[in-house]
Amino acid sequence: GENVGLHLPTLSVQEGDNSIINCAYSNSASDYFIWYKQESGKGPQFIIDIRSNMDKRQGQRVTVLLNKTVKHLSLQIAATQPGDSAVYFCAEGNAGNNRKLIWGLGTSLAVNP
Amino acid sequence: NAGVMQNPRHLVRRRGQEARLRCSPVKGHSHVYWYRQLPEEGLKFMVYLQKENIIDESGMPKERFSAEFPKEGPSILRIQQVVRGDSAAYFCASSPPLGHEKLFFGSGTQLSVL
Repeated sequence: GENVGLHLPTLSVQEGDNSIINCAYSNSASDYFIWYKQESGKGPQFIIDIRSNMDKRQGQRVTVLLNKTVKHLSLQIAATQPGDSAVYFCAEGNAGNNRKLIWGLGTSLAVNP
Repeated sequence: NAGVMQNPRHLVRRRGQEARLRCSPVKGHSHVYWYRQLPEEGLKFMVYLQKENIIDESGMPKERFSAEFPKEGPSILRIQQVVRGDSAAYFCASSPPLGHEKLFFGSGTQLSVL
């Protein structure tokens, strides 16, 4: 049936604060996880990825944490900026088989100046 | 370096008409993927193509939808006899040969069916 009234989860933060966006994945066999950022009217843009043999990976101002025990993934953004306002998607899959990525619903991040 | 180019950005069709969406991948990329996105939802895989080959079309509706990636020219997603439920954003992504998981997405085509 329809998901009538379904809204994206929204996270609102103050500029300069750290943001944490959470994602629960479903398939314990997934060994590859990826975060994308989608700004309004644009296509998704790669942020960071992590394989299941790691539990943490850092990029520029971003950190991805993976907890395989509880099938949980998080994206941490340090010193959040207005340009970080977007919808953030996590996706799970198998390395080398990127066409079969399973995408989450997304979280809308709003940065207040 | 040009990224993935999709056109048109916006396409309006009446019920029963045909919609043709075009995608030019990043130069040097030989793999193209089409995704569909409804408002406030994630991306749903539709089809994966290499030059002149459909590799995986498990996400494509059985009827009215087809895709191609010819030897020369852009990849085309074709929707025949469109219905209102086809209204969505259609995104194309490309990647180099397998082993490189990161997809590069275009800006999408917003299809509106009246």
